[in-house]
Amino acid sequence: DVKVTQSSRYLVKRTGEKVFLECVQDMDHENMFWYRQDPGLGLRLIYFSYDVKMKEKGDIPEGYSVSREKKERFSLILESASTNQTSMYLCASSPRTSLEQYFGPGTRLTVT
Amino acid sequence: GEDVEQSLFLSVREGDSSVINCTYTDSSSTYLYWYKQEPGAGLQLLTYIFSNMDMKQDQRLTVLLNKKDKHLSLRIADTQTGDSAIYFCAETPVRGYNQGGKLIFGQGTELSVKP
Repeated sequence: DVKVTQSSRYLVKRTGEKVFLECVQDMDHENMFWYRQDPGLGLRLIYFSYDVKMKEKGDIPEGYSVSREKKERFSLILESASTNQTSMYLCASSPRTSLEQYFGPGTRLTVT
Repeated sequence: GEDVEQSLFLSVREGDSSVINCTYTDSSSTYLYWYKQEPGAGLQLLTYIFSNMDMKQDQRLTVLLNKKDKHLSLRIADTQTGDSAIYFCAETPVRGYNQGGKLIFGQGTELSVKP
């Protein structure tokens, strides 16, 4: 069974703080993704990675960065959190040869 | 550019059929997907259809694809309260090499099933 875990289910941070969201997958998948989910907007891709140390910008990368030092772990970093980054953040992974993505349970981040 | 559109809400009575619709813009998409998100959970793949198919049936689920109109639908027969969830349509943007396995998701349709 594929498992994608995210470090926190709920997180509350203050404006200006540096925030780390961690995602780990246990199926040796090459591809990993970070999305944010907002009501009425669906899932929007922030960043993705198709290999260790590789990263590609998605549709809304501004205000975010990522790190993929190990194959199983993909971190999303908010350098200076702002209130408009309050959202649900979803991590996903997929093997190179498949387009099916496996999702973690999500982290609901509130920035006050 | 690539875009996937869905209506935001659908309400049905238990036992009725539900039909969730989706339109997409990328005519070169090879696969189209339906994902389900239950409350408090991540997304889970429900079913998918290859672009050279018109229909796919899997138990209570029927997927219809109209390539000419770029329209995808998901029909759930005998809808149950456990089917209440958000349903996302997604397409594969395959202009050039889709390195990284990107998907483009719609806004999601919240299905509410009333007893």
